[in-house]
Amino acid sequence: TQLLEQSPQFLSIQEGENLTVYCNSSSVFSSLQWYRQEPGEGPVLLVTVVTGGEVKKLKRLTFQFGDARKDSSLHITAAQPGDTGLYLCAGSYYNTDKLIFGTGTRLQVFP
Amino acid sequence: EAQVTQNPRYLITVTGKKLTVTCSQNMNHEYMSWYRQDPGLGLRQIYYSMNVEVTDKGDVPEGYKVSRKEKRNFPLILESPSPNQTSLYFCASRGLERTEAFFGQGTRLTVV
Repeated sequence: TQLLEQSPQFLSIQEGENLTVYCNSSSVFSSLQWYRQEPGEGPVLLVTVVTGGEVKKLKRLTFQFGDARKDSSLHITAAQPGDTGLYLCAGSYYNTDKLIFGTGTRLQVFP
Repeated sequence: EAQVTQNPRYLITVTGKKLTVTCSQNMNHEYMSWYRQDPGLGLRQIYYSMNVEVTDKGDVPEGYKVSRKEKRNFPLILESPSPNQTSLYFCASRGLERTEAFFGQGTRLTVV
């Protein structure tokens, strides 16, 4: 079974702070996605990265795909309470139709 | 509105009583999957389907069955539920291009 590890598992910060969440695997991804999940809801896609070294920005969120396509990071600048939620990375591997999810990072941003 | 609809949202049942959780999508997607979500374990794939009459096991298929008789529907069947199947279940669909997965709102199942 492919493993996709996220760190940290939990993160509690004050409004205005910056944070980074990491997603790592020993295998090479064909593409990687980041999702955000709120309580009582299913995950919702934030971004898809496909090219090694790719950087995508979504307002205060910056997503980076590692050069070797084995890892990714999500950086949030000036976090707000509305960023609170569970962040999940999910990788697609070559020659498979499966989408493997990381264990998740639960973020709490306090006012 | 593009959506994946699961029913029921909440279910409490007893050990051994067969149950079915329904899933329907209106986006004409080829790929559909079932996941369970447990604390500390993330989302784990139970079964997936690449098209009508084509299904395959995911990472944790034991104790579950699925069928894909129509493109839009992908029910999850627990023939004899056990307490270790207490979990939050999500159905998801994706198009042929295998990009964004659309998720249902989840079914919280408790087996006592």
